[in-house]
Amino acid sequence: DIQMTQSPSSLSASVGDRVTITCRASQDISNYLSWFQQKPGKSPKSLIYAASSLHSGVPSKFSASGSGTDFTLTISSLQPEDFATYYCQQYNTYPHTFGQGTKLEIK
Amino acid sequence: EVQLVESGGGLVQPGGSLRLSCITSGFTFSNYWMGWVRQAPGKGLEWVANIKQDGRERYYVDSVKGRFTISRDNAKNSLYLQMNSLRADDTAVYYCTSFRGWGQGTLVTVSS
Repeated sequence: DIQMTQSPSSLSASVGDRVTITCRASQDISNYLSWFQQKPGKSPKSLIYAASSLHSGVPSKFSASGSGTDFTLTISSLQPEDFATYYCQQYNTYPHTFGQGTKLEIK
Repeated sequence: EVQLVESGGGLVQPGGSLRLSCITSGFTFSNYWMGWVRQAPGKGLEWVANIKQDGRERYYVDSVKGRFTISRDNAKNSLYLQMNSLRADDTAVYYCTSFRGWGQGTLVTVSS
């Protein structure tokens, strides 16, 4: 199975900051990577597909890049509603494994 | 508006069975792969199963192979997950998923 490793596992930041979360795959997954946002008690929301494409309705403050094994999600100008847990998922090979999550907290 | 609404969760004894359903609306269901993802209490997301548009390809995580069956009815815009031989470690919120969105989840608790 492909292992997905996110870093950091948790991150403290302030409103207005720009933050970057990384996701590393244990083998080449091309650009078959998605990012999701999950708030406490809510279902995940799709943010990014194909490593860098924004889903409809996702604000442009979210950007992502990467290919192969190394990927990043960047959130600019953090607002209170952005504090959540973020997950990456590869869909190159079954099983479609998730990273362990990155919890973004308010400093 | 895209909607995915799960049902069928509940409390079941180890070794028991449950059938989850997901009724969708707001998008052309038959055009999309569909899947199930679960989340154990306080844990991260785990992909469970996917099914192709015509139902002819199905994939499962190893831990549920032989016990769970994913299926779909394109005429009813619905996705299903038949879960047999349930174990305590199957306890989780189960989400119906597609490229177009996620459901709100249904809680499955396996306990005696």
